[in-house]
Amino acid sequence: EVQLVQSGAEVKKPGESLKISCKGSGYSFTNYWIGWVRQMPGKGLEWMGIIFPDDSDTRYSPSFEGQVTISADKSISTAYLQWSSLKASDTATYYCARCHRYSSSSDGLDYWGQGTLVTVSS
Amino acid sequence: QSVLTQPPSASGTPGQRVTISCSGSSSIIGSNYVYWYQHLPGTAPKILIYRNNQRPSGVPDRFSGSKSGTSASLAISGLRSEDEAIYYCASWDDSLSGPVFGGGTKLTVL
Repeated sequence: EVQLVQSGAEVKKPGESLKISCKGSGYSFTNYWIGWVRQMPGKGLEWMGIIFPDDSDTRYSPSFEGQVTISADKSISTAYLQWSSLKASDTATYYCARCHRYSSSSDGLDYWGQGTLVTVSS
Repeated sequence: QSVLTQPPSASGTPGQRVTISCSGSSSIIGSNYVYWYQHLPGTAPKILIYRNNQRPSGVPDRFSGSKSGTSASLAISGLRSEDEAIYYCASWDDSLSGPVFGGGTKLTVL
């Protein structure tokens, strides 16, 4: 069974750093891209960026370039999303999702994680 | 402001057929496949349709997708109470190396 299991909810203060994770299982982790999607409270889904864990090829949406860092450790089938200095406006639920290396644009994001709620408040 | 445009809400009674529309540009929907996701708050979004009209295994054939030009639609027939959710359309944007999403349509089963 394909699963993407994300780390638990976080409560942080502005200026703090954070790294959340997404662990894949039930499939060949290195044959799929892992993307990250933000959902701010009461809002829709926004694409943040994507990583190919096999070679760490990473692409960012222009809206998120320089704001977050996406990484992966293929040895433990885990992708990460991190912030060096959180802002209150980073408060959101973050989802990871996978898409196939050869059919990403046709098949889209076929499995999603359960989401990680990040709350940034002083 | 989402790149793809969906109505914010839709509704229907059990057993009814409802459709949700999604419109975009020639460079996005007009040039790429459309996907549809079902999202229940607090859970992982679930893909319902990919490649405009293909259903993953396990998705009931009550759900169907279509695309024409720069618009797409999701149809749900034989509406059930468990279909109450938010539905998002999406399409690939090569410049982002990822999808762009519609704003979501909240479906209420009356």
